[in-house]
Amino acid sequence: GAVVSQHPSRVICKSGTSVKIECRSLDFQATTMFWYRQFPKQSLMLMATSNEGSKATYEQGVEKDKFLINHASLTLSTLTVTSAHPEDSSFYICSARDLTGGWGYTFGSGTRLTVV
Amino acid sequence: QKEVEQDPGPLSVPEGAIVSLNCTYSNSAFQYFMWYRQYSRKGPELLMYTYSSGNKEDGRFTAQVDKSSKYISLFIRDSQPSDSATYLCAMSGNSGNTPLVFGKGTRLSVIA
Repeated sequence: GAVVSQHPSRVICKSGTSVKIECRSLDFQATTMFWYRQFPKQSLMLMATSNEGSKATYEQGVEKDKFLINHASLTLSTLTVTSAHPEDSSFYICSARDLTGGWGYTFGSGTRLTVV
Repeated sequence: QKEVEQDPGPLSVPEGAIVSLNCTYSNSAFQYFMWYRQYSRKGPELLMYTYSSGNKEDGRFTAQVDKSSKYISLFIRDSQPSDSATYLCAMSGNSGNTPLVFGKGTRLSVIA
């Protein structure tokens, strides 16, 4: 089945630094990937839709200059949290859909970001 | 009204019980309905997906969709302690690359 690989699984960074999270579709091409954020005991909140070769579409309230998304190839999307602050600490998850293999969306394993 | 409503629980059942999880939604454009299982600190894992109305069965899991009532269900038979997790309903429209809309998730504990 479709596999989405996400790295790193956990990162701790100092306030003010930037962190890059990678999301790769391993056995299929993903023209679109989705980035979600999940706070403890809450559901997944869509942050942005990442489109290969074009600019990402951000949800209302998500700062595009803070959460930089790059989707340079059909198998790789990256989310960079710039100038991270403690309130950015959260669980970030990417997702993609293998359009040739059915309608289920596959999720990465998530990245737990802690900003200290 | 939120697009997708799901009782967050928590729900606690004894091992072997039948579990019923439900979601309601308001957007009639939703065509694809999914159930995900999420263990703590992990990404969601797809359990079932259904297109339009109807039932789908996979082992101990049965998904039901009633579009006329805008109501979906997931049944777990012979529940096991390993089923303890958060279950998220999710749905999307007919376009190939629209994002999923999630329910809040229901925390399930199956007690041995």
